[in-house]
Amino acid sequence: QKEVEQNSGPLSVPEGAIASLNCTYSDRVSQSFFWYRQYSGKSPELIMSIYSNGDKEDGRFTAQLNKASQYVSLLIRDSQPSDSATYLCAVNQGGKLIFGQGTELSVKP
Amino acid sequence: DADVTQTPRNRITKTGKRIMLECSQTKGHDRMYWYRQDPGLGLRLIYYSFDVKDINKGEISDGYSVSRQAQAKFSLSLESAIPNQTALYFCATSDTYANYGYTFGSGTRLTVV
Repeated sequence: QKEVEQNSGPLSVPEGAIASLNCTYSDRVSQSFFWYRQYSGKSPELIMSIYSNGDKEDGRFTAQLNKASQYVSLLIRDSQPSDSATYLCAVNQGGKLIFGQGTELSVKP
Repeated sequence: DADVTQTPRNRITKTGKRIMLECSQTKGHDRMYWYRQDPGLGLRLIYYSFDVKDINKGEISDGYSVSRQAQAKFSLSLESAIPNQTALYFCATSDTYANYGYTFGSGTRLTVV
């Protein structure tokens, strides 16, 4: 079992829809979780961090954390073509981030 | 200026050549990391350093070496480049517990011919 798992996609959604990206992790003691957005050929950019169970909202982005079920999700509301990118889930294990393989999101106009 | 600077941005080199990729940071972070990224394989950790005297191998260190010249500088070397080291390389930094995630450099696209 991989330490951090994401569906590789591609996930295709129409413009204006909600995109839902999911991530599961194996280490129960992990305390901090991150979502990065990466455009093709560019470096990963931190868009959300979450530390407590529940939801955290920032603009069109909502991160959700459920430590009991060991999953983290990212919702993107009112998806735009500019949101088309690969989204990386990262989990802090012992002070080092473990990255998932990433989910490719395509938002169609 | 960028918080984490990588040089060069692009490099084409020949098989067997030695090449160094450089990373410098102004974040004041003590931890630095080198990753490579290949299509479909995600980010793979090559080496990481928790401070100037602490350097550790990652999951794919064979064929690579590193040097932490100062808190702010962390270099990656390919002693004898081979074509399957063609990839996008990223340097990243974090504070001691990575509680705020990593800050990535802009990347170096390396092609070995």
